[in-house]
Amino acid sequence: AQSVTQPDIHITVSEGASLELRCNYSYGATPYLFWYVQSPGQGLQLLLKYFSGDTLVQGIKGFEAEFKRSQSSFNLRKPSVHWSDAAEYFCAVAPMDSSYKLIFGSGTRLLVRP
Amino acid sequence: EAGVAQSPRYKIIEKRQSVAFWCNPISGHATLYWYQQILGQGPKLLIQFQNNGVVDDSQLPKDRFSAERLKGVDSTLKIQPAKLEDSAVYLCASSLVPSSGNTIYFGEGSWLTVV
Repeated sequence: AQSVTQPDIHITVSEGASLELRCNYSYGATPYLFWYVQSPGQGLQLLLKYFSGDTLVQGIKGFEAEFKRSQSSFNLRKPSVHWSDAAEYFCAVAPMDSSYKLIFGSGTRLLVRP
Repeated sequence: EAGVAQSPRYKIIEKRQSVAFWCNPISGHATLYWYQQILGQGPKLLIQFQNNGVVDDSQLPKDRFSAERLKGVDSTLKIQPAKLEDSAVYLCASSLVPSSGNTIYFGEGSWLTVV
């Protein structure tokens, strides 16, 4: 069965420090891969997506993610975190067919220390 | 460009009562999704529409949940009768015809508390 694992429930970093959020997936083939962010009381906003090609993907707000097929991972990174980045981050996969059904991980809550 | 609109934003009901949520997708988006997000979990797809037809409702608890998109635009999700475990955020999302180039856009959600 398809699944997405985000092993860190909470992560706390200091403002200005670098960030890496982990995501591993279990899938029969390479799926489409996504990172979404959800601020309190808000809907989900797409940060970036990977479909094919360059395995390092650039997104909005200074985020990037790297697809590693050998590790079935799609980790999200940011070189310098801002206080406004505090939110919940969700990794998701979708099959490479017409259904486009997103399967989400359980999320990682990012806390930013001043 | 207007985003995905949902209402009501918040609803508190007693168990065994009914509730309905409304969603208006982004103009021109043929595909509409309803997701359920329980506290502490990622969203789970309940139902996916392509225009006014159902593409996938395999995870919709059909004994109590129903959804429709009669004219292929806005959609309603109904729960009747509600159970305590239905307390969640119900997220509506939309996209153009599913393909590798199209992004799924989410609304702000409808928060349901069943007491």
